[in-house]
Parts: sequence; C-alpha cells; structure tokens
Amino acid sequence: DTEVTQTPKHLVMGMTNKKSLKCEQHMGHRAMYWYKQKAKKPPELMFVYSYEKLSINESVPSRFSPECPNSSLLNLHLHALQPEDSALYLCASSQAGTGGDTQYFGPGTRLTVL
Amino acid sequence: GESVGLHLPTLSVQEGDNSIINCAYSNSASDYFIWYKQESGKGPQFIIDIRSNMDKRQGQRVTVLLNKTVKHLSLQIAATQPGDSAVYFCAERQAGTALIFGKGTTLSVSS
Repeated sequence: DTEVTQTPKHLVMGMTNKKSLKCEQHMGHRAMYWYKQKAKKPPELMFVYSYEKLSINESVPSRFSPECPNSSLLNLHLHALQPEDSALYLCASSQAGTGGDTQYFGPGTRLTVL
Repeated sequence: GESVGLHLPTLSVQEGDNSIINCAYSNSASDYFIWYKQESGKGPQFIIDIRSNMDKRQGQRVTVLLNKTVKHLSLQIAATQPGDSAVYFCAERQAGTALIFGKGTTLSVSS
C-alpha cells in the first residue's frame, strides 16, 4: 500500500477561522512533509517531520502550525490565514528520515481563504 | 534560485508519438533524481527515479536518462497516450537536503 490520504479534499475558510488539515500514511514511513502548491507551480516545501520530530521549517509564517501526533499522522493547523494562502496543500511521506528520498504524495487539500 | 528546471514549460504531441521531457540541474553534487507526474486536481505521482551512479533506467513505457557531464536529465515516454497528459516535474536531491523540484512541463497529448 503506497497510499497517503488527506482530509478534507476541499476547504473554504474565512480569515478569522481555525481549521486543521489531516494526513495519514500506513507504509511505516518515518518522514512526513507538508507542501504548498500554487497553480502551475512546483510544490514548495513547508515542513518536514523526521521520526515524529520537526526537522525542517522553511520559514513558514506562524499562522501555519504543524503537528505530528504519531508516526502515521500529520496535521496542519491553520489560523488567521490570508487570501494569498489559498493553494493546494500536499502531504507526502518517505521511508527514511532524511527528507531526500522518494516521497509519496497524497491527493492534497484545496484550500480557499476568503 | 532553483537549481532544477525544465527547458520547456509545455509540450504538445500526438497520440502514439514518443515524448521527451527535459530537465537541467546545476548542482553536480546531486546524487538522486526523481520524475513525478501530476494530473489535474491530484497530487504528484512517482514515475521513476535514478541514482547518479547510473546513466539510464527503464520502466514501463518510460526511460530516464542522466547526463552528468552536462547536468541534464530527461524523461522519455514511449507511445504517448492521452492519459499521459499531465504536468511532469523533475526533482533532485542534494546530499543532506530535501528534494528540490523543477518548474514543471505540461504535456498535452492529442488523439
């Protein structure tokens, strides 16, 4: 099973809302990632968790807060977002914890901030 | 700036033709490369990878070529089908860092 699942598929939120994106994998992978992707652009790395610890934060604004409750789950908590944060948010996982090996992506959450 | 990029943002081919998608990278220390396919509304899907100690690797209908002399990576798709229409990204690993994605090439296949 090489599946990474993400919920919800679509999310519309106001700038004062608090919401969370969820990601799950059952491949025994030890690294999990959040990416942001704008239309027709490559994915931009936001966070990397390695062995359930935050190992990379690509200078992401604090209105995005990642959480890794266990090795299979990854959350992204959203608060006070801006319209320019509207994008496809992708979760990925990889076997090793180094961040540079083959990553398997979920389908993404399409986020719209009004 | 990005060290991985693609030569053409779009590529249009006829069904049945062979497609070649190119990617240039700038870091000679990169040791691992991946091609991803992303269809509209979906996440990137792993297609094929290659390590820097190889210059060619074949999969089902796809071949990746690596030319370290000129720092060039290509993806060849044989007998291109309408289902191959997507955005293709190359990604490189520089030792000790996360993957770096190139800009992407949109492949359009007409029947």
